[in-house]
Amino acid sequence: KQEVTQIPAALSVPEGENLVLNCSFTDSAIYNLQWFRQDPGKGLTSLLLIQSSQREQTSGRLNASLDKSSGRSTLYIAASQPGDSATYLCAVAFSGANNLFFGTGTRLTVIP
Amino acid sequence: GAVVSQHPSWVICKSGTSVKIECRSLDFQATTMFWYRQFPKQSLMLMATSNEGSKATYEQGVEKDKFLINHASLTLSTLTVTSAHPEDSSFYICSADQDANLYEQYFGPGTRLTVT
Repeated sequence: KQEVTQIPAALSVPEGENLVLNCSFTDSAIYNLQWFRQDPGKGLTSLLLIQSSQREQTSGRLNASLDKSSGRSTLYIAASQPGDSATYLCAVAFSGANNLFFGTGTRLTVIP
Repeated sequence: GAVVSQHPSWVICKSGTSVKIECRSLDFQATTMFWYRQFPKQSLMLMATSNEGSKATYEQGVEKDKFLINHASLTLSTLTVTSAHPEDSSFYICSADQDANLYEQYFGPGTRLTVT
């Protein structure tokens, strides 16, 4: 069964800290993996998309890595800010599937 | 580019009535659109996949007669919740593919449905 899991479910950090969010998936045959941000009551904002052939992607203070063999991805946020507070979702496109599989998300709170 | 809109952004309706939600791709044509449902503090669950001009494919456990999906054009898909009940209250999000790439979807801002 193809599943995506995110740990921890919630995380609180003081402003300025670097942090890592984790995503694991059950099948290494993937097409791509994507990290999204969701603010309360809002839709999804795409942060980073990593293709199967890539190992990482960077955008500003965000860095996402992909290790297909271990079925893991991490989202690294440097120098966290209160504005980073949101729920972060990981979504995997498994090869052969016709839809995205979402993790349950990590709710991040950055304390000023 | 690749903007997806939804209308309305929120709606309150009485139990037993029907409500229609629109999903539009504003600057591209979408062969496939997806409808997701998200309950509070939970992740997105795919409800159905709709292809322009054909019947939608529903995920297991989703009632096709209750959640009517119409994908009449390459830029518009609609989800109609028929005979809504309080348990249908949820956040509904649509997404659309671009260039027929099912693996790269663009998401709408969501519609908050509250059934009283």
